[in-house]
Amino acid sequence: GAVVSQHPSRVICKSGTSVKIECRSLDFQATTMFWYRQFPKQSLMLMATSNEGSKATYEQGVEKDKFLINHASLTLSTLTVTSAHPEDSSFYICSARSLALSQETQYFGPGTRLLVL
Amino acid sequence: AQKVTQAQTEISVVEKEDVTLDCVYETRDTTYYLFWYKQPPSGELVFLIRRNSFDEQNEISGRYSWNFQKSTSSFNFTITASQVVDSAVYFCALSEAFTGNQFYFGTGTSLTVIP
Repeated sequence: GAVVSQHPSRVICKSGTSVKIECRSLDFQATTMFWYRQFPKQSLMLMATSNEGSKATYEQGVEKDKFLINHASLTLSTLTVTSAHPEDSSFYICSARSLALSQETQYFGPGTRLLVL
Repeated sequence: AQKVTQAQTEISVVEKEDVTLDCVYETRDTTYYLFWYKQPPSGELVFLIRRNSFDEQNEISGRYSWNFQKSTSSFNFTITASQVVDSAVYFCALSEAFTGNQFYFGTGTSLTVIP
């Protein structure tokens, strides 16, 4: 149980295009979803926290107009990297939390590797 | 200030050796949780263990064991008889009730097991 999927697993795009990454909780309802970013050989950095039906809360230094987050349902959150540039190339990981399962545990997706040319 | 410190950036051991990965945390909360995750080259985070602040019992799961000591704010992870498949980056993480259970990750320890 508590499976989180991400799609796509890998994406290559041209500079200036927008990329959408989906995060789904497959067998539970996620009251909160988190988006992380991980550069090579570095740790996971929290980008934003989103609760279903409300606006995402972004961490300091993360541009909300650049990284659009939509959490329209209890099983789906999307991250759209708008006008992507090479410096946005990274590994993006989402996680989901369900108060019904465990308030303190996040269930992580497999990640999406973004390469912007 | 770093809430979770993993001082060992990279460790290499020869297969069958035991290895301990250190994790030191900092919190003022009395209710918190500690986690260890494994991240193989594929990138997916693999959950290993969760421990709450009220349970200081050490835990053993196969070749894995964890030593939680509140007195030193440490939650160390030991792999006995290491295997090549153990090669990965290991992250320690802290979740505090006070901050809404936001995760704070350490910088990770890259373990290489040499055959």
